[in-house]
Amino acid sequence: AQSVTQLGSHVSVSEGALVLLRCNYSSSVPPYLFWYVQYPNQGLQLLLKYTSAATLVKGINGFEAEFKKSETSFHLTKPSAHMSDAAEYFCAVRLTGNQFYFGTGTSLTVIP
Amino acid sequence: ETGVTQSPTHLIKTRGQQVTLRCSSQSGHNTVSWYQQALGQGPQFIFQYYREEENGRGNFPPRFSGLQFPNYSSELNVNALELDDSALYLCASSPGGAAQDTQYFGPGTRLTVL
Repeated sequence: AQSVTQLGSHVSVSEGALVLLRCNYSSSVPPYLFWYVQYPNQGLQLLLKYTSAATLVKGINGFEAEFKKSETSFHLTKPSAHMSDAAEYFCAVRLTGNQFYFGTGTSLTVIP
Repeated sequence: ETGVTQSPTHLIKTRGQQVTLRCSSQSGHNTVSWYQQALGQGPQFIFQYYREEENGRGNFPPRFSGLQFPNYSSELNVNALELDDSALYLCASSPGGAAQDTQYFGPGTRLTVL
């Protein structure tokens, strides 16, 4: 059973527009949730993480995510897209046994 | 502070061969995890090492094995390579000991099996 699901494998936004990348998690998993970004031919870089301290989490590069237990969601947002935001974004959850389970990723394209 | 490094960057092998990939963890990190990322997919957990002991394993066959050394660097060994083993192999280190620990990823090793 999947632990996180990313809706939309490709998202395109105009430069300056709102970025919304969706992630839903399985309610059975402990709520340690993460968003990572991967630029072409590079490893993953942490954007932000939720560890139950606060439901609205602010990350690097102007990104933030809100943990909504009622919706089992942890969507990633950014008010204004920049060309440099074009990348692959992964939602991940840390499971018991120290495993991280990653979603299938969402490729973000920013249109000038 | 040095980040996570991996070697080699790229590697080409033929089916049936064996390969060893290496990872140096970030300073102060005693936990290393390995992932396989096939083209167009998210990373899949292979296994984790904590203080030189395996500390969790994903759904990978025994021909995927690993080691962690006293300095917390790590190796991933894959025997009897198959075409489907072609992927980006990522190593990630973390401080260890807490469930919310962040993993810091290296740039990966691109393995091609012909």
